Amino acid sequence: SQTIHQWPATLVQPVGSPLSLECTVEGTSNPNLYWYRQAAGRGLQLLFYSVGIGQISSEVPQNLSASRPQDRQFILSSKKLLLSDSGFYLCAWSGVNYGYTFGSGTRLTVV
Amino acid sequence: DQQVKQNSPSLSVQEGRISILNCDYTNSMFDYFLWYKKYPAEGPTFLISISSIKDKNEDGRFTVFLNKSAKHLSLHIVPSQPGDSAVYFCAASANSGGSNYKLTFGKGTLLTVNP
Repeated sequence: SQTIHQWPATLVQPVGSPLSLECTVEGTSNPNLYWYRQAAGRGLQLLFYSVGIGQISSEVPQNLSASRPQDRQFILSSKKLLLSDSGFYLCAWSGVNYGYTFGSGTRLTVV
Repeated sequence: DQQVKQNSPSLSVQEGRISILNCDYTNSMFDYFLWYKKYPAEGPTFLISISSIKDKNEDGRFTVFLNKSAKHLSLHIVPSQPGDSAVYFCAASANSGGSNYKLTFGKGTLLTVNP
């Protein structure tokens, strides 16, 4: 069966520090991968999606970047965090059938 | 420009009664709609979906209705249970059959079912 792993679960980082969130998928190949963010009082905003290794599409301009070094690995990064980067970050994958499967999320607090 | 709108941030119902969560969309290209349920500090989980070729889909206590002419869908939960208390997200896709599709989510509705 397919599983998705996302870590860490919580993270507190100072302004200006780097960020690296990792997401891995098991039990499937060539998945579409997504990074979403849920900011306080807001819905789920798509940040990046990837249809294959090295293929990244950005939905909104921001202080973040994404990479897909392996088929089932998706990384969200920042060189210098801003206060506005705080939020709940979700990784998701989709296969041949409709619907996403989400990871358990990372609560990022930038202080 | 919000393409998927959930205009009610919250809804409170009594256990055993019907919960109706509403969602409106503006993009005529959307052809697949989904509802997700989210508990605090967890990722959303898929609940039920409907294709634009249908106007109703039922799964146990959950039924989704689609009114394409009004660009409106709703999720009915009958009977509501305290465990249904969560944030419900409406989502839509505009790439039917494609291998690369994106879901556009609404802002969510917090449902509270009171015992």
